[in-house]
Amino acid sequence: GNSVTQMEGPVTLSEEAFLTINCTYTATGYPSLFWYVQYPGEGLQLLLKATKADDKGSNKGFEATYRKETTSFHLEKGSVQVSDSAVYFCALSEAAGNKLTFGGGTRVLVKP
Amino acid sequence: EPEVTQTPSHQVTQMGQEVILRCVPISNHLYFYWYRQILGQKVEFLVSFYNNEISEKSEIFDDQFSVERPDGSNFTLKIRSTKLEDSAMYFCASSRILYEQYFGPGTRLTVT
Repeated sequence: GNSVTQMEGPVTLSEEAFLTINCTYTATGYPSLFWYVQYPGEGLQLLLKATKADDKGSNKGFEATYRKETTSFHLEKGSVQVSDSAVYFCALSEAAGNKLTFGGGTRVLVKP
Repeated sequence: EPEVTQTPSHQVTQMGQEVILRCVPISNHLYFYWYRQILGQKVEFLVSFYNNEISEKSEIFDDQFSVERPDGSNFTLKIRSTKLEDSAMYFCASSRILYEQYFGPGTRLTVT
């Protein structure tokens, strides 16, 4: 079956540091890939997505590139802020309307 | 901006009792989902619903669970006889024909 593996946290950074969260996946077909973010006390928000190989998703300074050859979708941000402190989830979906399969989540804490 | 809403935000119930969790998806969405997140664990898919019927369900979604779309706006998850291990955050999500699923803020279910 499908699975998503992401680096365990917590990741603690200083403000303006570079953030990378690794995500790799296993899927039988050609899934779409997503990053969701969960701020403290809130639900899951879609951060960015990529629907085919070599696509780059980007939003709010975050980027991730769909790498089919390495089955990866690593999340990056060049300069984090305290407000980026949250739990980040990598996820995949095999097709439109299909369920999301999530990774375990990575907690990120940005200190001023 | 339209959003998915869920009620209640927190539900406490005794083991063996029935609970109904309610969701109002985004109005022009076609697909509806329930996920759950046990504290400290992955977000897990429970069930998807399309065209007034279940389109997919996970192993977790056994006979104790049911879903319903009783009118044009609500989408409910019923647990007939709750167990301690049903304690979790339950998220409703909805999507259009595209890949993006929009999540509600969640209902925290505590079974005592």
